[in-house]
Amino acid sequence: DTGVSQDPRHKITKRGQNVTFRCDPISEHNRLYWYRQTLGQGPEFLTYFQNEAQLEKSRLLSDRFSAERPKGSFSTLEIQRTEQGDSAMYLCASSLREGPETQYFGPGTRLLVL
Amino acid sequence: AQKVTQAQTEISVVEKEDVTLDCVYETRDTTYYLFWYKQPPSGELVFLIRRNSFDEQNEISGRYSWNFQKSTSSFNFTITASQVVDSAVYFCALSEEAGANNLFFGTGTRLTVIP
Repeated sequence: DTGVSQDPRHKITKRGQNVTFRCDPISEHNRLYWYRQTLGQGPEFLTYFQNEAQLEKSRLLSDRFSAERPKGSFSTLEIQRTEQGDSAMYLCASSLREGPETQYFGPGTRLLVL
Repeated sequence: AQKVTQAQTEISVVEKEDVTLDCVYETRDTTYYLFWYKQPPSGELVFLIRRNSFDEQNEISGRYSWNFQKSTSSFNFTITASQVVDSAVYFCALSEEAGANNLFFGTGTRLTVIP
């Protein structure tokens, strides 16, 4: 059973560019979460999907951020017109069912905006 | 509002010493879940334990043990006979039954085990 995978693991971009990250959850998991972690802080919730439906978005998720989960499998997180403040680790997690099931995390995508 | 406080920013211990990581939480929900995750230098968050608010029984798993006390809203984590491989950042997290069930994390405690 493979775990949650994320791609790329590292991304360096210039301010103003768009970036897209991918997350592949554990295969039978129907819930998928995105978190952001800045240096020295705990992860902060961005958004989550149940199957293909995006059910909640944090106020941290500005209109430059968009997430999708077509067909309820992998998910993408896109950041448009990146800013230096977007530099962070972006973590994806998945869980099996509704309710507070244990979330299993991927290795993260570390973004650096120059 | 929900909140998780890990007052210890960094702890250093010598190998084989015991160490306790503190976690205090706030929530208005009567049903909630508490977690501990380990984040080694590689960056991936590793799940350690999940407890629900109705189960205050302490748990032991090998060198790890957890003490959940609702009266003090605490969920502390003890590592016995620490090893160098225990060096990591440890996060306590809270999930409420209502809502998105997303995790609210503390700021983490960086544990360094010195050989």
